[in-house]
Amino acid sequence: NAGVTQTPKFRVLKTGQSMTLLCAQDMNHEYMYWYRQDPGMGLRLIHYSVGEGTTAKGEVPDGYNVSRLKKQNFLLGLESAAPSQTSVYFCASSPPLAGWYGELFFGEGSRLTVL
Amino acid sequence: QKEVEQDPGPLSVPEGAIVSLNCTYSNSAFQYFMWYRQYSRKGPELLMYTYSSGNKEDGRFTAQVDKSSKYISLFIRDSQPSDSATYLCAILNSGGYQKVTFGIGTKLQVIP
Repeated sequence: NAGVTQTPKFRVLKTGQSMTLLCAQDMNHEYMYWYRQDPGMGLRLIHYSVGEGTTAKGEVPDGYNVSRLKKQNFLLGLESAAPSQTSVYFCASSPPLAGWYGELFFGEGSRLTVL
Repeated sequence: QKEVEQDPGPLSVPEGAIVSLNCTYSNSAFQYFMWYRQYSRKGPELLMYTYSSGNKEDGRFTAQVDKSSKYISLFIRDSQPSDSATYLCAILNSGGYQKVTFGIGTKLQVIP
């Protein structure tokens, strides 16, 4: 059981380049999330999705776009990378809300460096 | 004011020590409180959660919530080197959509 899988695990970009991070989950979860984690800032929510075909902004959405064309996949795009987007990106998923107590299932992270 | 505040440490203790990790939160309406553990270069994993006030125990770990002071704690008894990780407190904000907000995490090192 793979859980949440993120690709790629590492990437180096030059300023202005674009890229897409892919998240796949095999737990049939409705909700999916993209967080970034930075020293001294903790985990901050970028975008999230409550189901296939729907997305919404989190705390720090600027400079990112997302798509959820299939229930199991959630893509995070950077159209024009900036050094401020150097971070570790985590994808997470959660089951339907009834009785949910806040457990998120995280991937192992994608380390992005923008030069 | 941040929804949840946590001292980042780092915290270094000898093996066998009792560890106390703490957070404060701002909104008295929060009901679910969580502790996640994150090993180096891994994603966070839920360690424990508590509903409303009181204590919850799981082996060597005890989670405690004091709603009167808006204080959440995690105690680790007989700490082991394998407990070395970053511990993140988190709250579930049920207002609007169900959002999980994290503290910045406390890095713990247990020295053999």
